[in-house]
Amino acid sequence: EADIYQTPRYLVIGTGKKITLECSQTMGHDKMYWYQQDPGMELHLIHYSYGVNSTEKGDLSSESTVSRIRTEHFPLTLESARPSHTSQYLCASSRRGGQGGQSSYNEQFFGPGTRLTVL
Amino acid sequence: AQSVSQHNHHVILSEAASLELGCNYSYGGTVNLFWYVQYPGQHLQLLLKYFSGDPLVKGIKGFEAEFIKSKFSFNLRKPSVQWSDTAEYFCAVNPYSGAGSYQLTFGKGTKLSVIP
Repeated sequence: EADIYQTPRYLVIGTGKKITLECSQTMGHDKMYWYQQDPGMELHLIHYSYGVNSTEKGDLSSESTVSRIRTEHFPLTLESARPSHTSQYLCASSRRGGQGGQSSYNEQFFGPGTRLTVL
Repeated sequence: AQSVSQHNHHVILSEAASLELGCNYSYGGTVNLFWYVQYPGQHLQLLLKYFSGDPLVKGIKGFEAEFIKSKFSFNLRKPSVQWSDTAEYFCAVNPYSGAGSYQLTFGKGTKLSVIP
């Protein structure tokens, strides 16, 4: 079944640890995204990728890094976690729908999220 | 940069009441519009989308939304809510730039609580 997977779902770690949040999709999508979401706040885009070996930073500055070596895999890494990194991290992927031009649209599909707590 | 405003932070309704959640965006050009829903303990799901044509769009579970270009609005409606509609609802905008911008800008979300 086509889906988006994120692991771990919950992570509690100490300050200074290096962590990698995994995201994989079997949707066949070429575009993938990482969002950060705090309670009561909007989702903020922190990284995105439009294909293999293509990564860009989003609107919200983040100390994390990402890589896109395979189409289906888009991991996010924090080299040294800090309490300010405590948040929920959502991974998404998208396809381009419609008939092209102004009739086309970008529909994003989301994973279950990773709730990260840094002590 | 574009922004999305959702006017209500928390809405509490009784079952069978009608629902309207407001969403306004700030972008003067062509946009694609979305409503996502997040049920407790579940991931974000697409409720409905608008990209062209009829400004009244219908989604899953009896939801609909109306795009009013002159008001930069995309309000979500449901004539009769159920307890199972308890969730958080997010409005999102994707400006059409022609050059292939695929990013979404989200509102802060509206939490809906439906009382049986």
